[in-house]
Amino acid sequence: AQTVTQSQPEMSVQEAETVTLSCTYDTSESDYYLFWYKQPPSRQMILVIRQEAYKQQNATENRFSVNFQKAAKSFSLKISDSQLGDAAMYFCAYIGNQFYFGTGTSLTVIP
Amino acid sequence: DAGVIQSPRHEVTEMGQEVTLRCKPISGHNSLFWYRQTMMRGLELLIYFNNNVPIDDSGMPEDRFSAKMPNASFSTLKIQPSEPRDSAVYFCASSLLGYQETQYFGPGTRLLVL
Repeated sequence: AQTVTQSQPEMSVQEAETVTLSCTYDTSESDYYLFWYKQPPSRQMILVIRQEAYKQQNATENRFSVNFQKAAKSFSLKISDSQLGDAAMYFCAYIGNQFYFGTGTSLTVIP
Repeated sequence: DAGVIQSPRHEVTEMGQEVTLRCKPISGHNSLFWYRQTMMRGLELLIYFNNNVPIDDSGMPEDRFSAKMPNASFSTLKIQPSEPRDSAVYFCASSLLGYQETQYFGPGTRLLVL
């Protein structure tokens, strides 16, 4: 069965520093998609970044980038130059034949 | 674009009452998803529509839950009768075509069943 594990329930980072959120998943599928979503206190779920499993190149979106290791089934999110507005709950999601969301990592940004 | 619209934003009801949650997807999007988020279970997919047709409803908890999509611009999630354990935030999301595409979430409906 596919599962998504976010092993860090809480993380904190100093403003302007870099932080990495981890995500691992378990699957027997070869074709799937991985996402990082951000949920600020407003509870609106916002897409951060998307990665297709068939692409070797790591996705990048401005200050956000991923380290996708398909063989290791790892999909970590790196946030560079952290800003106060990055404080939120971050969810890793696996979408293949089924959908799985991780339990989330709560990120605090310290001014 | 207005984004995904959900109503109501908050709902408080008593056990046994019928609850109807509404969703308007982004215009032009062909796929619609209903999720439930709770502290205990996290974010769970309830049902997924493609071109107004339910594709996967395996996440619907039980017969008390039903979802419809009568047209491309409107969907409902109904709980009848409601129970306290249904208290959660219910999200609707839409995507251009299929679950592989980026899903855009609505603001959610916070449901409290007393």
